Amino acid sequence: KQEVTQIPAALSVPEGENLVLNCSFTDSAIYNLQWFRQDPGKGLTSLLLIQSSQREQTSGRLNASLDKSSGRSTLYIAASQPGDSATYLCAPMDSSYKLIFGSGTRLLVRP
Amino acid sequence: DGGITQSPKYLFRKEGQNVTLSCEQNLNHDAMYWYRQDPGQGLRLIYYSQIVNDFQKGDIAEGYSVSREKKESFPLTVTSAQKNPTAFYLCASNPQGANEQFFGPGTRLTVL
Repeated sequence: KQEVTQIPAALSVPEGENLVLNCSFTDSAIYNLQWFRQDPGKGLTSLLLIQSSQREQTSGRLNASLDKSSGRSTLYIAASQPGDSATYLCAPMDSSYKLIFGSGTRLLVRP
Repeated sequence: DGGITQSPKYLFRKEGQNVTLSCEQNLNHDAMYWYRQDPGQGLRLIYYSQIVNDFQKGDIAEGYSVSREKKESFPLTVTSAQKNPTAFYLCASNPQGANEQFFGPGTRLTVL
């Protein structure tokens, strides 16, 4: 059974810092991996989708990498801003096309 | 304006009552999903449907039921058999297969 772990569980950084969020998964037989952002009390916003054949994907200040064989993905946020404060969730898609979620990393960017 | 809508945003239920949460999408997606989120935790899959008139149980289907009579609609009923229904419920959809999944704004259910 796929298990997803996100480290750290919470992170507080001053504005302007570059930061890395980590995601590990136990079963490498995945189709893709998605990173999401969730603001308090809201739904999930898709940030990046990395297909299993890709190594990384970029959108603006965000860069996600995927190492399927070692069961790891990272989300890199450059020049963090207070508006980046949210919970970030990673979710690999298993062989049944189902997303399996980690518990998330709560990010606070201090002005 | 394409997207996924969920209603109501907040729902209160007395113990012993069944309630139905609505999920509608106008993205022409084949697949739809229901998740449950508890405080400080990730999402857990309740039910999913890859095509109209067909659906499968997820990891925590007990106490829930669904129907998929139309492509754009996937309502979730929380029955009185669900022992701890207070949670945040999220609906999602995607084109069938290994494609990006999109989420609605959620419904917060509280049992009084």
